[in-house]
Amino acid sequence: GNSVTQMEGPVTLSEEAFLTINCTYTATGYPSLFWYVQYPGEGLQLLLKATKADDKGSNKGFEATYRKETTSFHLEKGSVQVSDSAVYFCASASRLSGNTPLVFGKGTRLSVIA
Amino acid sequence: NAGVTQTPKFQVLKTGQSMTLQCAQDMNHEYMSWYRQDPGMGLRLIHYSVGAGITDQGEVPNGYNVSRSTTEDFPLRLLSAAPSQTSVYFCASSYSGGTPPTEAFFGQGTRLTVV
Repeated sequence: GNSVTQMEGPVTLSEEAFLTINCTYTATGYPSLFWYVQYPGEGLQLLLKATKADDKGSNKGFEATYRKETTSFHLEKGSVQVSDSAVYFCASASRLSGNTPLVFGKGTRLSVIA
Repeated sequence: NAGVTQTPKFQVLKTGQSMTLQCAQDMNHEYMSWYRQDPGMGLRLIHYSVGAGITDQGEVPNGYNVSRSTTEDFPLRLLSAAPSQTSVYFCASSYSGGTPPTEAFFGQGTRLTVV
């Protein structure tokens, strides 16, 4: 079955620091990959996605590249802001005989301090 | 745009009580799912549905029941609440057709405490 392993936090960074959150996946079939963000007290919002190898998803300064050879989808941002403080989830979904529900990693809590 | 709507937002139950968490979506999505979120555990799938009249179990289905009589609604029933069911519950919906799989849209969550 599908699974996602992501770097566990918490991660604390100073404003303008570089961010990497590692995510690797195992899947049968050819999964789509997603990063979701959860701000305090809120639900999950899609941050970015990629649906095939070498695709790069990007949004709000965040990027992640679908690497089939290393089964990875690491999240990066060049300069974090205090407003980026949130929990980040990596997720995958495969299509075999119909799409499967999303499978999530355990989440990484990011705190950015001024 | 309403998207995915969950009610209630907060609920306190006594052990042994039953209740239904409501979820409705207005995007005509075939897929709907229920997840629970616990500290350090991420989101775990409880039940999901690929269309009206079709449901299936996820990773942690025990103690929960679902049905899908319409495309729009996917209620989650707690049959006899236990303290272990204290959690934040999220409903999600997505479009099931086509390749590749698309993203899911989430409700705002229901924070449930069982005492």
